[in-house]
Amino acid sequence: GENVEQHPSTLSVQEGDSAVIKCTYSDSASNYFPWYKQELGKRPQLIIDIRSNVGEKKDQRIAVTLNKTAKHFSLHITETQPEDSAVYFCAARPRSYNTDKLIFGTGTRLQVFP
Amino acid sequence: DTEVTQTPKHLVMGMTNKKSLKCEQHMGHRAMYWYKQKAKKPPELMFVYSYEKLSINESVPSRFSPECPNSSLLNLHLHALQPEDSALYLCASSQGGGSSGNTIYFGEGSWLTVV
Repeated sequence: GENVEQHPSTLSVQEGDSAVIKCTYSDSASNYFPWYKQELGKRPQLIIDIRSNVGEKKDQRIAVTLNKTAKHFSLHITETQPEDSAVYFCAARPRSYNTDKLIFGTGTRLQVFP
Repeated sequence: DTEVTQTPKHLVMGMTNKKSLKCEQHMGHRAMYWYKQKAKKPPELMFVYSYEKLSINESVPSRFSPECPNSSLLNLHLHALQPEDSALYLCASSQGGGSSGNTIYFGEGSWLTVV
């Protein structure tokens, strides 16, 4: 079945450094790739997403890149701040479903040290 | 308004109890979802309703029973749960359908503890 792998599982960076989280997906027909940030005890919050007809998308300090040939996509956070500390989940939407079912990666715990 | 509202926020129930989780959205979304999330794990899809009809059931045990009374409401009825069912239950919604992928909005979740 469909699968999304996410690396690394934990990431520690110094404030101001960049952080990169990578995901690979198995279903080549997947067409939508959101990233969610989840703080402790809270709901997943969408921070950025990208569709399969776009290679890169940026929103202030956050960017996502998509390589359809290699079937991987990455989250880039620049100038990290302590409030960026959270668990980040990537996800992929297989095209084969009529609903917006998402396959989630296993998550990355990002810690930003002041 | 991009809110998905869930009640209750916290629920403690015994293994013989019957309880329900409720979810509401007023974004005109036609797809609604129940996810289960255990600590340090990603959300795990349980059910999907599309246009008020059950579209996906991810082989969830029958002690979980979903219901979609109308396009804005989604319930999850709980009966004879086990302690391992303790988790965060997330409701979500999206426009549904189409081929380009729609944003999924999550509610704050209901923390369930089965004792």
